[in-house]
Amino acid sequence: GENVEQHPSTLSVQEGDSAVIKCTYSDSASNYFPWYKQELGKRPQLIIDIRSNVGEKKDQRIAVTLNKTAKHFSLHITETQPEDSAVYFCAAKNNNNDMRFGAGTRLTVKP
Amino acid sequence: EAQVTQNPRYLITVTGKKLTVTCSQNMNHEYMSWYRQDPGLGLRQIYYSMNVEVTDKGDVPEGYKVSRKEKRNFPLILESPSPNQTSLYFCASSLTSASQTQYFGPGTRLLVL
Repeated sequence: GENVEQHPSTLSVQEGDSAVIKCTYSDSASNYFPWYKQELGKRPQLIIDIRSNVGEKKDQRIAVTLNKTAKHFSLHITETQPEDSAVYFCAAKNNNNDMRFGAGTRLTVKP
Repeated sequence: EAQVTQNPRYLITVTGKKLTVTCSQNMNHEYMSWYRQDPGLGLRQIYYSMNVEVTDKGDVPEGYKVSRKEKRNFPLILESPSPNQTSLYFCASSLTSASQTQYFGPGTRLLVL
């Protein structure tokens, strides 16, 4: 089955710097890759997603890149702000419609 | 207001006592799913449902049952809970498949003694 690995597990950056979180997946049939943000005590919320026919997608300060050959995808947050502090999860979905999540990255943005 | 609701939000129970966690969505979504969240393991999918009367196992289905008799409801059943099922549980739904925005419920924190 699918296996999704996420790195790093914790990330601390200074406000204004960029943050990059990376994920790898094992199932070459995976075709949908969402990123979720979970603030403390809250539910996960989708922040951006990418499909396997696209290499990059951007939404304001957030971007995701996908390398299908290498089977990895990354989340990029530019000009980080304290409110970006949260746990971020990547995920991959295969043709069977089951979703596998990474273990999460705790991002701390220091003011 | 479009939303996914779960009940109860918090539950303490004892080993072997059957329990049900309800999940309901009012967005007419076809796809619904249950996840458990444990420290260091992220979210793991328990079961999912593509539509009424259609359910499939996810990554960690052992010890759980689900049913999808109506489109809006997707209850999670623990027939004989054990301490290793102590976890934070999230229900989620999306329009037609997991390849669309999944809306998560508020979570149910379960402690099995």
